[in-house]
Amino acid sequence: DAGVIQSPRHEVTEMGQEVTLRCKPISGHDYLFWYRQTMMRGLELLIYFNNNVPIDDSGMPEDRFSAKMPNASFSTLKIQPSEPRDSAVYFCASSLATGQRYEQYFGPGTRLTVT
Amino acid sequence: GDSVTQMEGPVTLSEEAFLTINCTYTATGYPSLFWYVQYPGEGLQLLLKATKADDKGSNKGFEATYRKETTSFHLEKGSVQVSDSAVYFCALSGSARQLTFGSGTQLTVLP
Repeated sequence: DAGVIQSPRHEVTEMGQEVTLRCKPISGHDYLFWYRQTMMRGLELLIYFNNNVPIDDSGMPEDRFSAKMPNASFSTLKIQPSEPRDSAVYFCASSLATGQRYEQYFGPGTRLTVT
Repeated sequence: GDSVTQMEGPVTLSEEAFLTINCTYTATGYPSLFWYVQYPGEGLQLLLKATKADDKGSNKGFEATYRKETTSFHLEKGSVQVSDSAVYFCALSGSARQLTFGSGTQLTVLP
């Protein structure tokens, strides 16, 4: 079975550029989560969706960040404009509402470097 | 709100040593508890879980028991291997759908 797929795996961009991270959840999963991981702040939940609808975006750091889920098999996290402090590893995870209680399956992550 | 407190790292052990990583939690209701492992350069992988009090989760020689009376879910392994070197995260899911993670514990096993 294919797990959660993220692309790209690595992204290097210059400050001020737009960055788009992509995620394909496990087929049939109805929850999707975006996390950010840094040494200083650890794992932070940015936003999560249920059946493609954003449920809680209180973790999104500021208006420069936006996330969409146009269908059940695809989500994007966009940063515009990017800043050096956005450098981090971004993870996508998915879970199944009727599955084992709330366990999440993580993708391999996108390592973002903003110079 | 929900919170997870994990043993501070890093932890360095010799191969075949006994491992304990402490985890305590605060939550309302009856959370499910998880241990995730993150190997270098990879995403988090579910290691084991327990969904109710006194449940024992186990996988790959690791064990953890859901202790409601002490609000703990300590991770143990009787004999660690070099390949167990990774970061370990304790997490809970409470009334909300999202997971609350601890800060992670870096484990290094020396040959």
